[in-house]
Amino acid sequence: GAVVSQHPSWVICKSGTSVKIECRSLDFQATTMFWYRQFPKQSLMLMATSNEGSKATYEQGVEKDKFLINHASLTLSTLTVTSAHPEDSSFYICSLRGGNIQYFGAGTRLSVL
Amino acid sequence: AQTVTQSQPEMSVQEAETVTLSCTYDTSESDYYLFWYKQPPSRQMILVIRQEAYKQQNATENRFSVNFQKAAKSFSLKISDSQLGDAAMYFCAYRTANRDDKIIFGKGTRLHILP
Repeated sequence: GAVVSQHPSWVICKSGTSVKIECRSLDFQATTMFWYRQFPKQSLMLMATSNEGSKATYEQGVEKDKFLINHASLTLSTLTVTSAHPEDSSFYICSLRGGNIQYFGAGTRLSVL
Repeated sequence: AQTVTQSQPEMSVQEAETVTLSCTYDTSESDYYLFWYKQPPSRQMILVIRQEAYKQQNATENRFSVNFQKAAKSFSLKISDSQLGDAAMYFCAYRTANRDDKIIFGKGTRLHILP
């Protein structure tokens, strides 16, 4: 069964609005979760590492004020795309580590009109 | 810095035949993990196979096996008896043994299965 639950799977929003994506760990207490962005026909690009109870660690070039991450519990991390614009349209994937295996959510397709 | 290179953007194989996907990596670490992930059209990332660097024996999972050459820093994936459901993007990935380290992905190889 699924280890990671990610919602929503697809969201369409107007430019300027904020969108929240949830990532839930179903089987593990995840102190660390990862957020990726994937452009069409490209690989996964790590955006940030979400740490339970503390601030997320962002990769170089990723705007932390644009992509707000909250990891308030051991089973939930959220990514909020603030004031979304068409260039934020992409596929976002969350991930967590269970043992030595990295599990992935089913992804969220964000379309900003 | 660690890097993962997949030199084959696309490959095709006849159904029931065998195909090998290439992957090389660069690291100065001695202990690490290597993975092959499959991303079908649904875009759900699925772990195909993993290899611990300290293990000399090549990992095998049913029709999937790897050829791990540590000295050459090579980690190829062999798919035997290819099936239509194997059509997907395949990503080679690397992670150090440090549990907090991020996983590094190659650019991927798109595999087409010809009926």
